[in-house]
Amino acid sequence: EIVLTQSPGTLSLSPGERATLSCRASQSVSSSYLAWYQQTPGQAPRLLIYGASSRATGIPDRFSGSGSGTDFTLTISRLEPEDFAVYYCQQYGSSLWTFGQGTEVEIK
Amino acid sequence: QVQLQQWGAGLLKPSETLSLTCAVHGGSFSGYYWSWIRQPPGKGLEWIGEINHSGSTNYKLSLKSRVTISVDTSKIQFSLKLNSVTAADTAVYYCAREYYYDSSGTRDYAFDIWGQGTMVTVSS
Repeated sequence: EIVLTQSPGTLSLSPGERATLSCRASQSVSSSYLAWYQQTPGQAPRLLIYGASSRATGIPDRFSGSGSGTDFTLTISRLEPEDFAVYYCQQYGSSLWTFGQGTEVEIK
Repeated sequence: QVQLQQWGAGLLKPSETLSLTCAVHGGSFSGYYWSWIRQPPGKGLEWIGEINHSGSTNYKLSLKSRVTISVDTSKIQFSLKLNSVTAADTAVYYCAREYYYDSSGTRDYAFDIWGQGTMVTVSS
């Protein structure tokens, strides 16, 4: 089973700042199966990025994804108040999906 | 607009069987895989397993001995059963669609639509 490790665990930033979230895989991952989700309290996760770098429908362009192999990054260029949430990366390999443990982006 | 509506018992005793169902409204059922995911209180997301319209399944290895995911194509719904539950199975359970995006000769996959979530508590 491929393990995804997200860092940092918590990111304390102010609105308007840039957020950089990391997702590292224990072995190489196909970019076709690397996705990012946002979750706010009490809500189901929302798909942000698929294919490592493509924005899902309706996702603002301040969200971007990059990376390949074992290292992937989610960047939020300028944080809006609604962006303070928990973010998860996800991958599929060997007929199994796994999620990272999450990064919380909190208001500083 | 595809929507997933899920339901099931919210309070179980240890050793009982968890049973949840997810109905697909407004879209195609075939051609996709459909997953169950859970989230213990205050913790991260854990994938449980998936099924397609033909009934082909894959399960998380550590849960495989206790999990059954089934499909009812006539009702356009799929279900989760988890037997011999313990307090460790207390979580919000979600169903989700695995969508594929055709992209420059390849296909990218992600969970694009989620159910509303069902809180399941296991307590004596």
